[in-house]
Amino acid sequence: AQKITQTQPGMFVQEKEAVTLDCTYDTSDPSYGLFWYKQPSSGEMIFLIYQGSYDQQNATEGRYSLNFQKARKSANLVISASQLGDSAMYFCAMREGGTAPYGGATNKLIFGTGTLLAVQP
Amino acid sequence: DGGITQSPKYLFRKEGQNVTLSCEQNLNHDAMYWYRQDPGQGLRLIYYSQIVNDFQKGDIAEGYSVSREKKESFPLTVTSAQKNPTAFYLCASSEGEGYSTEQYFGPGTRLTVT
Repeated sequence: AQKITQTQPGMFVQEKEAVTLDCTYDTSDPSYGLFWYKQPSSGEMIFLIYQGSYDQQNATEGRYSLNFQKARKSANLVISASQLGDSAMYFCAMREGGTAPYGGATNKLIFGTGTLLAVQP
Repeated sequence: DGGITQSPKYLFRKEGQNVTLSCEQNLNHDAMYWYRQDPGQGLRLIYYSQIVNDFQKGDIAEGYSVSREKKESFPLTVTSAQKNPTAFYLCASSEGEGYSTEQYFGPGTRLTVT
């Protein structure tokens, strides 16, 4: 069964420092996608970064980068130069394999339990 | 501005009543989703729809129903059969198929049933 594991319930980081949020996944499907979302206290989920299973290079989006280690089945999120506004819940998610009812890849996502990041001034 | 709207933000109901949560998107997305989030847990998929007039059960569909009569709308009904309906409900949409297609989320509806 496909599964996402986030083992850090909470993390602290000093402002302007870098922080790594861990994510491991389990799937037997060779084709999959990995996502990171940020959820502020307001509740809305904000997409941060995507990594495809066949992507050769680690994904980067501004201060966010994804440390993708395929053999270890890990997809850790690295936030550089933390800001106070980065304080939020962070969720790792994986797109399930399989075929959608009308063909093509299914868009269903499996989420981890999240990591609460607190940035301290 | 394009986006997803969910209304209301907070909803209170008595046990035994059905309640319908609204979700509207103007992103012209084909696919729409409903998730449930409980404290300390990630999101769990309730229902999803890849095209109009069709929808599929997710992992926790029991006690819920949906319809997809229009591309932009995907309302969720929480029925009295749902044993623990109090939760945070999030609606999302995406362009359709493809592994790199991210889902866009609405602001959520917090449902409390007493």
